[in-house]
Amino acid sequence: QKEVEQDPGPLSVPEGAIVSLNCTYSNSAFQYFMWYRQYSRKGPELLMYTYSSGNKEDGRFTAQVDKSSKYISLFIRDSQPSDSATYLCAMKGNYGQNFVFGPGTRLSVLP
Amino acid sequence: GAGVSQSPRYKVAKRGQDVALRCDPISGHVSLFWYQQALGQGPEFLTYFQNEAQLDKSGLPSDRFFAERPEGSVSTLKIQRTQQEDSAVYLCASSLATVTDTQYFGPGTRLTVL
Repeated sequence: QKEVEQDPGPLSVPEGAIVSLNCTYSNSAFQYFMWYRQYSRKGPELLMYTYSSGNKEDGRFTAQVDKSSKYISLFIRDSQPSDSATYLCAMKGNYGQNFVFGPGTRLSVLP
Repeated sequence: GAGVSQSPRYKVAKRGQDVALRCDPISGHVSLFWYQQALGQGPEFLTYFQNEAQLDKSGLPSDRFFAERPEGSVSTLKIQRTQQEDSAVYLCASSLATVTDTQYFGPGTRLTVL
């Protein structure tokens, strides 16, 4: 079992829909959680960064962390065709140098 | 520069050739990371530098992989005697100071080994 799991998709939704993207993880030491968006043939770009549990909102994006269930989510409201990309979750504990990435979920928002 | 740059963007190598991939981090960023991203997968950590010191190289898959950052800015990832399984996108990221700071990624170098 991988440390971080994501449904690879593809996930196709109509424009304007609410999108829910999720990751599960096995390492209870993870404290730092990130969501990245990666367009084809580009590097990942940071969308959301949260520490420990709780919710964080930024515009159309909301990140949720449930450490008791080892489950994190990213919600996208009023999805746009420009949101079509691969979404990667990444996480890290208090020790060690590197973030562990999930395999990514490919999202397609249809006009 | 405005962001992290990497060169070349694409590299085709014959099996057994040596390759060198370059990363120019954001000016002033202390931390630099290299990742390997296989098709359809998330980035996998290779190595981490703080200034010129390589503090973690636990992700390097074999002794054919070598990274350096001699002056604490530009970094080079070298792969010797390339194999087909080395074909991937190699991503570089930099962050301002600590490992928990936001990482800014470059566009990657797509390596194809024939």
